[in-house]
Amino acid sequence: AQSVTQLGSHVSVSEGALVLLRCNYSSSVPPYLFWYVQYPNQGLQLLLKYTSAATLVKGINGFEAEFKKSETSFHLTKPSAHMSDAAEYFCAVSEKSSGDKLTFGTGTRLAVRP
Amino acid sequence: NAGVTQTPKFQVLKTGQSMTLQCAQDMNHEYMSWYRQDPGMGLRLIHYSVGAGITDQGEVPNGYNVSRSTTEDFPLRLLSAAPSQTSVYFCASSGTGRGQYFGPGTRLTVT
Repeated sequence: AQSVTQLGSHVSVSEGALVLLRCNYSSSVPPYLFWYVQYPNQGLQLLLKYTSAATLVKGINGFEAEFKKSETSFHLTKPSAHMSDAAEYFCAVSEKSSGDKLTFGTGTRLAVRP
Repeated sequence: NAGVTQTPKFQVLKTGQSMTLQCAQDMNHEYMSWYRQDPGMGLRLIHYSVGAGITDQGEVPNGYNVSRSTTEDFPLRLLSAAPSQTSVYFCASSGTGRGQYFGPGTRLTVT
């Protein structure tokens, strides 16, 4: 069975500050890991995904995530927060690189202060 | 491409009523799925399909039925709605190895 744990249901940063959203996974097989973003009253949009090609993955909107097998982590970062980054972020795991049958974390809501 | 479309956007049902949530995609994706989103619980997989005529249960299938007669459509049926089914429902599809594409969601309230 696979699962992900997102530490911190709410994170608040100042505009221009570093964004760090934490995700730890549990998987009995090599995992495929994903980060999705959800803006208010919208569906989910894929930010980035790890499929074993490279441990540092760059995504859209300046976000990136690093896969660390020894720590079973896949934390999402962005060097400088923008007001438009305010949203809810979900980490998810799948047994397939295509992202079928995703198991989601409970989400982290990011607030950006002016 | 319209991507993944869902109808209706909002729905209010009384306990015991039935309804169908519609989902369609125009990307020729083989894989489609339904999730429900509840506060503090993330998204949970209800049912999924790997192609026309093939469906399977996800994590929380009870109270829901699905069928897949065409590649494009994947409706979700609630046979007898219960207040516990109040949620936001998302349909998703994938087929290009680029992760799942999500629809805009249907907000369902059961009174």
